Amino acid sequence: SQQGEEDPQALSIQEGENATMNCSYKTSINNLQWYRQNSGRGLVHLILIRSNEREKHSGRLRVTLDTSKKSSSLLITASRAADTASYFCGLRTSYDKVIFGPGTSLSVIP
Amino acid sequence: DVKVTQSSRYLVKRTGEKVFLECVQDMDHENMFWYRQDPGLGLRLIYFSYDVKMKEKGDIPEGYSVSREKKERFSLILESASTNQTSMYLCASIKGGKRSPLHFGNGTRLTVT
Repeated sequence: SQQGEEDPQALSIQEGENATMNCSYKTSINNLQWYRQNSGRGLVHLILIRSNEREKHSGRLRVTLDTSKKSSSLLITASRAADTASYFCGLRTSYDKVIFGPGTSLSVIP
Repeated sequence: DVKVTQSSRYLVKRTGEKVFLECVQDMDHENMFWYRQDPGLGLRLIYFSYDVKMKEKGDIPEGYSVSREKKERFSLILESASTNQTSMYLCASIKGGKRSPLHFGNGTRLTVT
């Protein structure tokens, strides 16, 4: 059973706006990883946050992690049309497997 | 850069056929994974392997088996393909340890008719 859940399922914003996606989970994790997928291709890793970290930045990406609430958020600032993709959170569990939720589909309108 | 290569981008098979999906990675990663991706369901873990000849069931192993005879190669086998196995199949690998991300192949879109 999937133990990660992203919301919203779909998000549509104008170019230049910020996009926020959330991930909630039930299991204990070693780290949480965000991925992007374009056009049904393989997923591309964006950013990894360890369970003892609370916030991490990479370029226009900001990830937060609240292990007490078992939730994470991905913020993309100043979005571009090229950010249009599906976004997934991957949970690396204590058994070294990585499990995913259904993802968030982001559309950035030029 | 790590390269994860899946042998076929598109595959069409008939019901009842035995199907092999091959995945090779070139960075000596310990762990390898097979997922299937379906609309609205995201990625679901079928099997994973943390070492040669080792395998662990994921969330949906029924109807599938795997083989890992060499560290770089992880094969997914559909013993008798069925139409409900029509899907996108994604292979991934990861270095052992807690700080590594997954590296994905480009996927194999399998259609079973």
